Amino acid sequence: QKEVEQDPGPLSVPEGAIVSLNCTYSNSAFQYFMWYRQYSRKGPELLMYTYSSGNKEDGRFTAQVDKSSKYISLFIRDSQPSDSATYLCAMPDSNYQLIWGAGTKLIIKP
Amino acid sequence: DAGVIQSPRHEVTEMGQEVTLRCKPISGHDYLFWYRQTMMRGLELLIYFNNNVPIDDSGMPEDRFSAKMPNASFSTLKIQPSEPRDSAVYFCASSRGVSYGYTFGSGTRLTVV
Repeated sequence: QKEVEQDPGPLSVPEGAIVSLNCTYSNSAFQYFMWYRQYSRKGPELLMYTYSSGNKEDGRFTAQVDKSSKYISLFIRDSQPSDSATYLCAMPDSNYQLIWGAGTKLIIKP
Repeated sequence: DAGVIQSPRHEVTEMGQEVTLRCKPISGHDYLFWYRQTMMRGLELLIYFNNNVPIDDSGMPEDRFSAKMPNASFSTLKIQPSEPRDSAVYFCASSRGVSYGYTFGSGTRLTVV
């Protein structure tokens, strides 16, 4: 079993829909949780960064962490075609190395 | 800030040839990471440096791979000799610290034929 599990998709939704992207993890010691967005033929870019449990909102994006369930989510409201990308979750291990999810490919249909 | 700069963007080479990938990190970032990304294996950490010193190279697949960071503004990843299975996108990333997010370059798409 991988330390971080993420459904690779693709996930296809109509423009304007609320998108929910998720990761599960096995190591209860993880404290920091990140979401990266990767456009085709580009490097990943940091989108959201949260610490411990709770919610963090930034514009149309909300990151949610449930440490009791070892489950993190990224919500995108009012999704746009420009949100079409691969979304990767990542979290530092005890050696501060990022453990990456496989990435979920998101397609927003106009 | 120009971000993390990688060169070349694309490289096509014949099996057995030497390949050198280059990276300029963001000024002030103490950490530099080399990653490889493929469809099958996703993002794999190859090696990372802290203050120009290699800290962990356990992800380097074979002795054919080597990386250097002669100063704070430049790093290279070399493959010698290259093989078709090395074909992938190689990313360089830098960070202020291991608990901070990483800034990635645009990557080098390597094809070994």
